[in-house]
Amino acid sequence: KAGVTQTPRYLIKTRGQQVTLSCSPISGHRSVSWYQQTPGQGLQFLFEYFSETQRNKGNFPGRFSGRQFSNSRSEMNVSTLELGDSALYLCASTTRDSPYEQYFGPGTRLTVT
Amino acid sequence: AQSVTQPDIHITVSEGASLELRCNYSYGATPYLFWYVQSPGQGLQLLLKYFSGDTLVQGIKGFEAEFKRSQSSFNLRKPSVHWSDAAEYFCAVGADNDMRFGAGTRLTVKP
Repeated sequence: KAGVTQTPRYLIKTRGQQVTLSCSPISGHRSVSWYQQTPGQGLQFLFEYFSETQRNKGNFPGRFSGRQFSNSRSEMNVSTLELGDSALYLCASTTRDSPYEQYFGPGTRLTVT
Repeated sequence: AQSVTQPDIHITVSEGASLELRCNYSYGATPYLFWYVQSPGQGLQLLLKYFSGDTLVQGIKGFEAEFKRSQSSFNLRKPSVHWSDAAEYFCAVGADNDMRFGAGTRLTVKP
């Protein structure tokens, strides 16, 4: 079974721009969570989607948004990028039967200049 | 609110030595417990998990972890560390529709 895939793997953007990151979960997994990882803050939960609905949300500004499609693929969008948004963005998928057992993708490294 | 504490930010061990990484959690009931490993620039890989039953769980890559309810701990162990084990290790706790990760412990392996 293929793992969680994330595209692109690396991205360089300029302050003020917006960015969209994509995540394809493991086949059969309907829940997708997004995390931001930085050296200073560690892993921080952004949001979780299940069956195209946002089920949980972390403490991030409204510039961070996401959505999930009917095939469980998910995207997250960051608008008006700031330097502090530079991070590794990780996506994880889980099954309905084991909702906390998360399988992570390789991440998207976003650099904002 | 539940929390996860990994007291050691950085640990250095010699290759072939034993390893124990500590994890303590704060939660009323027994949550779901996990250990993940992350190599530089990569995602997190699930090493092992505990839901219920036998308190000593085996994982991949020769790792094991022991759940101790009385100490609210879920420590990760390996009898003999290999140079390829150098990475960052995260303990995670899940309960009540909430998932928390520890701050991580960076493992350095000396030759």
